Amino acid sequence: NAGVTQTPKFQVLKTGQSMTLQCAQDMNHEYMSWYRQDPGMGLRLIHYSVGAGITDQGEVPNGYNVSRSTTEDFPLRLLSAAPSQTSVYFCASRGEEAYGYTFGSGTRLTVV
Amino acid sequence: KNQVEQSPQSLIILEGKNCTLQCNYTVSPFSNLRWYKQDTGRGPVSLTIMTFSENTKSNGRYTATLDADTKQSSLHITASQLSDSASYICVVSATGFQKLVFGTGTRLLVSP
Repeated sequence: NAGVTQTPKFQVLKTGQSMTLQCAQDMNHEYMSWYRQDPGMGLRLIHYSVGAGITDQGEVPNGYNVSRSTTEDFPLRLLSAAPSQTSVYFCASRGEEAYGYTFGSGTRLTVV
Repeated sequence: KNQVEQSPQSLIILEGKNCTLQCNYTVSPFSNLRWYKQDTGRGPVSLTIMTFSENTKSNGRYTATLDADTKQSSLHITASQLSDSASYICVVSATGFQKLVFGTGTRLLVSP
């Protein structure tokens, strides 16, 4: 089925560890983005990309890196995990504006 | 400051009843407004998207309205079903920007 695939679904990290959250889409969407969702808050944009080789910062980029070497993949890297990064992370992609965004099923990350 | 506020924060209704969720926004310049449904543990799924010139859009039992003058939108759910239990998120985007402004959502519980 076409869509956005995120892995892993769950992850527990120790403070200071690094990891990469994977995101892949098979809809040939140029635009991809990463959000975090925290209790009582709306989704907040971390980083986004408008095409392969092009990335930009969102609202809360500190502590995260991204790259976009292909149209399909948009990994999110946590450089040195902190408890404040405990959250649910969503990857989203978009084709034509009229069709809206397609979200992945999320990665629940706990940093202890 | 660009903001999206939703009310009520949570709502419990009996199966078969109707309900209306509210969204007020201050995002400018306005491009479009979307309603998403988010089931527990899943990513948001698009229900409707409306531009400035549209004031009503339906998707099955879901009907969204938009008043661009008062910067208000509503989502009306008709003949609710148990599967409607979810969070409903209002999302507004500004013209020329990649950033979406998310509301914190209304958590709806449909009780048998």
